Amino acid sequence: NAGVTQTPKFRILKIGQSMTLQCTQDMNHNYMYWYRQDPGMGLKLIYYSVGAGITDKGEVPNGYNVSRSTTEDFPLRLELAAPSQTSVYFCASRLAGGTDTQYFGPGTRLTVL
Amino acid sequence: AQRVTQPEKLLSVFKGAPVELKCNYSYSGSPELFWYVQYSRQRLQLLLRHISRESIKGFTADLNKGETSFHLKKPFAQEEDSAMYYCALSGEGSGNTGKLIFGQGTTLQVKP
Repeated sequence: NAGVTQTPKFRILKIGQSMTLQCTQDMNHNYMYWYRQDPGMGLKLIYYSVGAGITDKGEVPNGYNVSRSTTEDFPLRLELAAPSQTSVYFCASRLAGGTDTQYFGPGTRLTVL
Repeated sequence: AQRVTQPEKLLSVFKGAPVELKCNYSYSGSPELFWYVQYSRQRLQLLLRHISRESIKGFTADLNKGETSFHLKKPFAQEEDSAMYYCALSGEGSGNTGKLIFGQGTTLQVKP
């Protein structure tokens, strides 16, 4: 199993551009999450999904969109990129809720200039 | 409001010294608490969770509801313990979606 994979690893965007961060898991997990990690701030939840076709906002959803058309994929869309979206983005998944372990991807480092 | 606080950004100790990484939380119900670790050039991974009452790599953590703390401890630090450590809380009731609230993280540096 590859676990949770994310592409790209690095990206530089100009203000106003858009892009999609890809996240795929091969563990047949129901739950998937997107977090952003700002320096010294820990991880904050952007969006999450409890199954295909079901998504919901986290703590910091503004400026982002998600979709979950399959169990495996949970892409994060940035529209009109802003410097405040410069961050490291982590995707995670878990089999079910409760105390099941969340498995994290390697992260995508995004810079908006 | 749900909150996790890790008061130390950096903790530097010598090899063989005891380690205590502090974590305090704010939550009105019964929390589920975790410690995650990120070693250099590796992805974030679960270290331990309070309900398991387990010891992983010599680390333990006890939930103290009176003090609302979940400090991570190890009696003798090793150089390979150097990493970023995050305390996290999952604090929902029914319909638990597993959303995690993370602390700011503490970098543990173990010097030889």
